[in-house]
Amino acid sequence: DARVTQTPRDKVTEMGQEVTMRCQPILGHNTVFWYRQTMMQGLELLAYFRNRAPLDDSGMPKDRFSAEMPDATLATLKIQPSEPRDSAVYFCASAGTGFWETQYFGPGTRLLVL
Amino acid sequence: TQLLEQSPQFLSIQEGENLTVYCNSSSVFSSLQWYRQEPGEGPVLLVTVVTGGEVKKLKRLTFQFGDARKDSSLHITAAQPGDTGLYLCAGGDTGKLIFGQGTTLQVKP
Repeated sequence: DARVTQTPRDKVTEMGQEVTMRCQPILGHNTVFWYRQTMMQGLELLAYFRNRAPLDDSGMPKDRFSAEMPDATLATLKIQPSEPRDSAVYFCASAGTGFWETQYFGPGTRLLVL
Repeated sequence: TQLLEQSPQFLSIQEGENLTVYCNSSSVFSSLQWYRQEPGEGPVLLVTVVTGGEVKKLKRLTFQFGDARKDSSLHITAAQPGDTGLYLCAGGDTGKLIFGQGTTLQVKP
């Protein structure tokens, strides 16, 4: 049963600390998305990659957020320095290359910045 | 900026009742997807509609894509407690999805 995995599942940190979230997409999927979900804003697209190349990161605060795909089996989202307003659930999703491909979401990383 | 508005935001009903959730936009989308999300988990795809006027049925759930591909609806017949969750519509836009704010559904036994 292929699934997207995310680590850590929960993270509590203090303001100013660096946070790194990791995602392993489903094997064979070449499109990876990072989303942030809050009660106020709902599910927002932060960035997405195809074949490890960033296609769109316009939803991501550039000064503190960065997203990379070091290889086809790992995507990372980093926040440095973290702020309380970054507290949210961060989801990774992966998909194939079809035009209406299903996005498969991971379980999310719940981040709390104190 | 493309936006999708869902209504209602919250819905609490008794088991056996019918309900409809709406997803509206001023923009045209190439596809419209509906996801369901349970607490502590990521959204899971229910259906994709791609043709204006298209209707798809999934057991007690009926999905419709508007003729102009700007809106969609989800109708649940005889809701059950297992239908409880967050329902999200998402519009397809050049390889990425724009999500609505979601409708939280609670079905009480």
